[in-house]
Amino acid sequence: AQTVTQSQPEMSVQEAETVTLSCTYDTSESDYYLFWYKQPPSRQMILVIRQEAYKQQNATENRFSVNFQKAAKSFSLKISDSQLGDAAMYFCAASNFGNEKLTFGTGTRLTIIP
Amino acid sequence: ETGVTQTPRHLVMGMTNKKSLKCEQHLGHNAMYWYKQSAKKPLELMFVYNFKEQTENNSVPSRFSPECPNSSHLFLHLHTLQPEDSALYLCASSPLQGLNYGYTFGSGTRLTVV
Repeated sequence: AQTVTQSQPEMSVQEAETVTLSCTYDTSESDYYLFWYKQPPSRQMILVIRQEAYKQQNATENRFSVNFQKAAKSFSLKISDSQLGDAAMYFCAASNFGNEKLTFGTGTRLTIIP
Repeated sequence: ETGVTQTPRHLVMGMTNKKSLKCEQHLGHNAMYWYKQSAKKPLELMFVYNFKEQTENNSVPSRFSPECPNSSHLFLHLHTLQPEDSALYLCASSPLQGLNYGYTFGSGTRLTVV
């Protein structure tokens, strides 16, 4: 079974600054996938970034990047040049290879300070 | 809209009522999921359907009854609910092609049981 832990219930950052959201996970599988989802007030969960565990290179998507530390089972999300539209709940999630079912963390609420 | 549509957006029901939540996707996905989202808790997986067959039921009380008539439609039938069932119910779909690209979510149904 997988578990995903997000230890920061809330975070805030000044607009245009950089913020890092933490996530740790536990799995007995050797091949798996990790995700960050964003849930704005509109409630629609939107995929932000995806990481394949067998790839050592950290995934990046424009201002969003991850720091994937496989040995430490850590998967943090870095948001650069924070914008007001980044304000949302952010969920870390994991799935095993061959099974698309996702296990989610409890989420981090990110506030952007103008 | 991301391609997964949930109706209704909001629902208030009494404990003796019977209602249904609907989820529809035309993305060609073969897996569909129901999740329950409560405050400060991880998203709870309720049911999984692969190729319209139920493959997972996470010990969900029988007052929640899912139905998947085809790969594009998923229903959650509700009857004699309890106040603690009040939550956001999210539907999601995924391709089920072994590539683990994550889910596409609907906007959810906010359910209030009175």
